[in-house]
Amino acid sequence: DTEVTQTPKHLVMGMTNKKSLKCEQHMGHRAMYWYKQKAKKPPELMFVYSYEKLSINESVPSRFSPECPNSSLLNLHLHALQPEDSALYLCASSDRDNEQFFGPGTRLTVL
Amino acid sequence: GEDVEQSLFLSVREGDSSVINCTYTDSSSTYLYWYKQEPGAGLQLLTYIFSNMDMKQDQRLTVLLNKKDKHLSLRIADTQTGDSAIYFCAETPGGYNKLIFGAGTRLAVHP
Repeated sequence: DTEVTQTPKHLVMGMTNKKSLKCEQHMGHRAMYWYKQKAKKPPELMFVYSYEKLSINESVPSRFSPECPNSSLLNLHLHALQPEDSALYLCASSDRDNEQFFGPGTRLTVL
Repeated sequence: GEDVEQSLFLSVREGDSSVINCTYTDSSSTYLYWYKQEPGAGLQLLTYIFSNMDMKQDQRLTVLLNKKDKHLSLRIADTQTGDSAIYFCAETPGGYNKLIFGAGTRLAVHP
């Protein structure tokens, strides 16, 4: 299995909802990442987990809460989001420090 | 500082070669990457080059690196309509597992 999967593919939520994005990889990669990509912009790093521990948080607001339950799974819990948080959320994984492989993304719309 | 620059748009005729250019700022980047993103999709890793190399060839793709000028280019030979996409170059400042992307170059291939 050489891919990163993400669910759901699309998500629409209200500002008072709580939802979660899920990411899974079975390549044995020890680093996993969350990126946010606004329309017509490049991806921007949000979080990095290395060996299931949070190693980088790019000053992301607390309404985004990452979780790494095990080495294959990465979640992003969402609560009290704003309309400007609408974006494509990309998960990636890597072995050591290079060659990040990306999932197809979750397109999030906050109403 | 961390800054990656690319031209925003390139139009080529099918069968011609495409050259996408990128400049980066962080000389400590160990690897430099090229990613492809088709509409509505995640990022596909095309190729990467180690910072002590000048050139890397992979089938129709040729990457050239001028470390003195901090200039990276991606040449696509015999460009096809399926190559139409946005191409991002990315650096890893400080050698850490944090990708900094350029704005992306939209490649349009016409008959």
